Amino acid sequence: DTAVSQTPKYLVTQMGNDKSIKCEQNLGHDTMYWYKQDSKKFLKIMFSYNNKELIINETVPNRFSPKSPDKAHLNLHINSLELGDSAVYFCASSQDGRRGEQYFGPGTRLTVT
Amino acid sequence: AQSVAQPEDQVNVAEGNPLTVKCTYSVSGNPYLFWYVQYPNRGLQFLLKYITGDNLVKGSYGFEAEFNKSQTSFHLKKPSALVSDSALYFCAVRDPGAGSYQLTFGKGTKLSVIP
Repeated sequence: DTAVSQTPKYLVTQMGNDKSIKCEQNLGHDTMYWYKQDSKKFLKIMFSYNNKELIINETVPNRFSPKSPDKAHLNLHINSLELGDSAVYFCASSQDGRRGEQYFGPGTRLTVT
Repeated sequence: AQSVAQPEDQVNVAEGNPLTVKCTYSVSGNPYLFWYVQYPNRGLQFLLKYITGDNLVKGSYGFEAEFNKSQTSFHLKKPSALVSDSALYFCAVRDPGAGSYQLTFGKGTKLSVIP
């Protein structure tokens, strides 16, 4: 069973479109995260939810909006996609948001044309 | 503010030789430190962490890391490298004193193990 899953794995879309990426974890963890990895492999936190409450909201364009319907799911919606949004987006989860290690999903490669 | 540095973009080592991937950190108090590995087209996998206690931490796949407070370092080591260890390695730090959930990652070090 996959611990942290993301859909879709690949997403190719045009500028200006709106898209969503879904994430689910079956580990029973309380905290979930979204990261962006750019073409140079630099990894940057975007958002984090703990028990459905937003606890990290880094400086990202407000075109990006996370939604956590329950503890096991954290989705990422992106409005008005831009070329610079092209990257790999990773979802992760952890049992203990402060001390615990994070478990990462396989990533969603977003390409905006 | 918390930060972490991986001074080497790439490390090359011959198979069977010991390997070291370097990491230094900066936090205001005592750090929580982590190492992750990323294989091509995959998500990051947790290797090991230091929270408190013994400075030498053992992790997955034969890796270990030593926490050195005076040098603010947390270098990743393995006694004998395998070709399958070739991957991208990330060091990460969290400052618990800041009450933060945020994990700050280094820029990554590409390890190449040469047969």
